[in-house]
Amino acid sequence: GQNIDQPTEMTATEGAIVQINCTYQTSGFNGLFWYQQHAGEAPTFLSYNVLDGLEEKGRFSSFLSRSKGYSYLLLKELQMKDSASYLCAVRDSNYQLIWGAGTKLIIKP
Amino acid sequence: IAGITQAPTSQILAAGRRMTLRCTQDMRHNAMYWYRQDLGLGLRLIHYSNTAGTTGKGEVPDGYSVSRANTDDFPLTLASAVPSQTSVYFCASSAGTSAGELFFGEGSRLTVL
Repeated sequence: GQNIDQPTEMTATEGAIVQINCTYQTSGFNGLFWYQQHAGEAPTFLSYNVLDGLEEKGRFSSFLSRSKGYSYLLLKELQMKDSASYLCAVRDSNYQLIWGAGTKLIIKP
Repeated sequence: IAGITQAPTSQILAAGRRMTLRCTQDMRHNAMYWYRQDLGLGLRLIHYSNTAGTTGKGEVPDGYSVSRANTDDFPLTLASAVPSQTSVYFCASSAGTSAGELFFGEGSRLTVL
């Protein structure tokens, strides 16, 4: 079966750096997405990786290793507004998105 | 720019009733999707449409139906609601099935009693 694994919850301190990991087993691979979802709101797009390596976008970076079935989202200079759930999703060989359950990130002052 | 609009935002429904969740997008996206989100689970695809006039079944289609009469609208119908359909429903769209990210509506919170 297809599976996306990410930690259920993480806690970090304002101003610090946090890395949220995602491992996947899917039938085929056509890209990996990270989304941010604040409580009670819709998911919003953060990043997309289709080739191995690091994609940087401001305070957020996303890394992909296709051979290891692994990605991480790196958040730097954490702010209180970064408290949210972070969803990892993989597009499989049928171009359908397989979603992880999300990582709830709690930022403490 | 509205993006994707869902209605209603919240609804309490008696079991056995029929319910249609509405979804409209103004981005001229070809592909549209309906997901449900339940606590502790990832987003699960109910139905999708790659282009107007076509629809397909996702991971959890039973008890739901959709139609795609035009590019903009993609309603989701629960023919006879059951309590297990209590969930938050998100409509989403993308330029194409293999292109770009998904844009989500604000969600419809449905409670079936």
